[in-house]
Amino acid sequence: NAGVTQTPKFQVLKTGQSMTLQCAQDMNHNSMYWYRQDPGMGLRLIYYSASEGTTDKGEVPNGYNVSRLNKREFSLRLESAAPSQTSVYFCASSETVAVIGEQYFGPGTRLTVT
Amino acid sequence: QQPVQSPQAVILREGEDAVINCSSSKALYSVHWYRQKHGEAPVFLMILLKGGEQKGHEKISASFNEKKQQSSLYLTASQLSYSGTYFCGTGYVQAGNMLTFGGGTRLMVKP
Repeated sequence: NAGVTQTPKFQVLKTGQSMTLQCAQDMNHNSMYWYRQDPGMGLRLIYYSASEGTTDKGEVPNGYNVSRLNKREFSLRLESAAPSQTSVYFCASSETVAVIGEQYFGPGTRLTVT
Repeated sequence: QQPVQSPQAVILREGEDAVINCSSSKALYSVHWYRQKHGEAPVFLMILLKGGEQKGHEKISASFNEKKQQSSLYLTASQLSYSGTYFCGTGYVQAGNMLTFGGGTRLMVKP
């Protein structure tokens, strides 16, 4: 049982390049989330997917797109990377019925944009 | 709007107690608490729901004051393993399936 996995673990991009961060969970959770965490700061929600087939914007969606490929997988795409997107990106999943359940986080992707 | 956590940082000796507060300007429906160690992912500690239902584990407790729109996390008889940054995540009825996280409280426990 791997929980939540993310690839890649580290990535360096040049300004203007694009990339996709992959996330998968094996807990059969319905909800999945993408957060970013800047140094010394809290978690900010980029996008989330309450269930397969739906996605919604979070607090900081500009410059990102997401795809809920199936129940297991939720990807985050940076179309044209900017230095302001340098951050650690965490994917999380939870079982959400009436209330958001316990969120399980992946190990994170450390992204640097130069 | 981001919940406000206090204090921002606290240093304890092993065995001492600490309280971390999380305040919201909007009516809360749920509060999650997570701990993050340096270089690692956040780990779930506890969830509190409007109406008083409490869930959690480990030797850590929490309260949820609906009138004050505030939650407090209580760490008693702290251990070295309690060191890390504690985040509260708040859920609101109007916000659907998303949590808004506070800026964090850094806790250091010394021998």
